[in-house]
Amino acid sequence: SQKIEQNSEALNIQEGKTATLTCNYTNYSPAYLQWYRQDPGRGPVFLLLIRENEKEKRKERLKVTFDTTLKQSLFHITASQPADSATYLCALGSFNFNKFYFGSGTKLNVKP
Amino acid sequence: NAGVTQTPKFQVLKTGQSMTLQCAQDMNHEYMSWYRQDPGMGLRLIHYSVGAGITDQGEVPNGYNVSRSTTEDFPLRLLSAAPSQTSVYFCASSSSGTGRGTEAFFGQGTRLTVV
Repeated sequence: SQKIEQNSEALNIQEGKTATLTCNYTNYSPAYLQWYRQDPGRGPVFLLLIRENEKEKRKERLKVTFDTTLKQSLFHITASQPADSATYLCALGSFNFNKFYFGSGTKLNVKP
Repeated sequence: NAGVTQTPKFQVLKTGQSMTLQCAQDMNHEYMSWYRQDPGMGLRLIHYSVGAGITDQGEVPNGYNVSRSTTEDFPLRLLSAAPSQTSVYFCASSSSGTGRGTEAFFGQGTRLTVV
């Protein structure tokens, strides 16, 4: 079955630095990948989608890359701020199926 | 817009009790789904629906039942609660199936404890 791995250890960085989060997957060929942000006690909130034929996607301070050969997506937050502190989830989907698979998320702590 | 509304926010059940978690969306979305979130395991799909009258199983459907009689509502029923069903439950909706890659909107979650 498919497996999605995100670093379970929290990522601690200093304000102003670039945070880079990793999403690796196996036994799956997703057509697209999404990133969500989740704050404590809240539901996930959609951030970005990238399709298999796209190498990179940007939105303001966010950048996502998708390497189908390495089976990996990288999620970058540039000029990070304490308000960026949250758990970030990646999710994979296929255009042929109505099922969506989430990673367990990585907690990001941005220290002032 | 309210978006996706889940009730209740918290619930404690005794083993063997049944209950229904409510989910409603006001965005006229076709696709709705239920997930459970457990520490270290991410969100796992329980059941989903691609429209009124159509439901299907996800990864972890055992012990849960769903129906979709209207576009707006997608209740999740626990038939006979077990401690293993202690979790945080999220309902989500999107304008089309996940096959189109459209973003999912999530409710605030229901924290369920089964004792």
